[in-house]
Amino acid sequence: AQKITQTQPGMFVQEKEAVTLDCTYDTSDQSYGLFWYKQPSSGEMIFLIYQGSYDEQNATEGRYSLNFQKARKSANLVISASQLGDSAMYFCAMRAPLRGGADGLTFGKGTHLIIQP
Amino acid sequence: SQTIHQWPATLVQPVGSPLSLECTVEGTSNPNLYWYRQAAGRGLQLLFYSVGIGQISSEVPQNLSASRPQDRQFILSSKKLLLSDSGFYLCAWSVGTGDDEQFFGPGTRLTVL
Repeated sequence: AQKITQTQPGMFVQEKEAVTLDCTYDTSDQSYGLFWYKQPSSGEMIFLIYQGSYDEQNATEGRYSLNFQKARKSANLVISASQLGDSAMYFCAMRAPLRGGADGLTFGKGTHLIIQP
Repeated sequence: SQTIHQWPATLVQPVGSPLSLECTVEGTSNPNLYWYRQAAGRGLQLLFYSVGIGQISSEVPQNLSASRPQDRQFILSSKKLLLSDSGFYLCAWSVGTGDDEQFFGPGTRLTVL
């Protein structure tokens, strides 16, 4: 069974500082995918970044980058130059193959990030 | 472009009452569709998914059911709500498998009293 662990329930960070949100995972699959989603107070889940297990380079999307360390089974999200609008819940998730060809997502419990001015 | 709608946005229902939450997707064909539930302060748990019309798979045993009467319509139902059914319900869609991310709807906040 897959498992995602996010060990930081909450974080306070000063505006403009870089932030690292931790995520470790456990899976027996050789091929897998890791996602990060942002959930603001409105509740919607916003896709941020994806890392495939066979991708040789760490994924980057604007201010977001994923520090993927396969041997340590970690996929930390790095947000550079944090902004007040980055305050939200952040979830790490892993692709979970399902019957019939669909892929679900196994989520961690999330990290509540608060950016302070 | 693709969009996903959910309604209602919020719902307060008494214990024992029926439930029907609707999700529709626009701008894509034959999507994979998913229902997730998020309990307060927790991550998301996959409840149901569907790879085609009339095809429903359940991931966890519960008081809820799902149906897909049309290609881009996904419905979550219950005949009699329990207090434990309270939560935030999110519908999502994806195309194909593998690297494709799932796109989530705005969610329905359900409170069972």
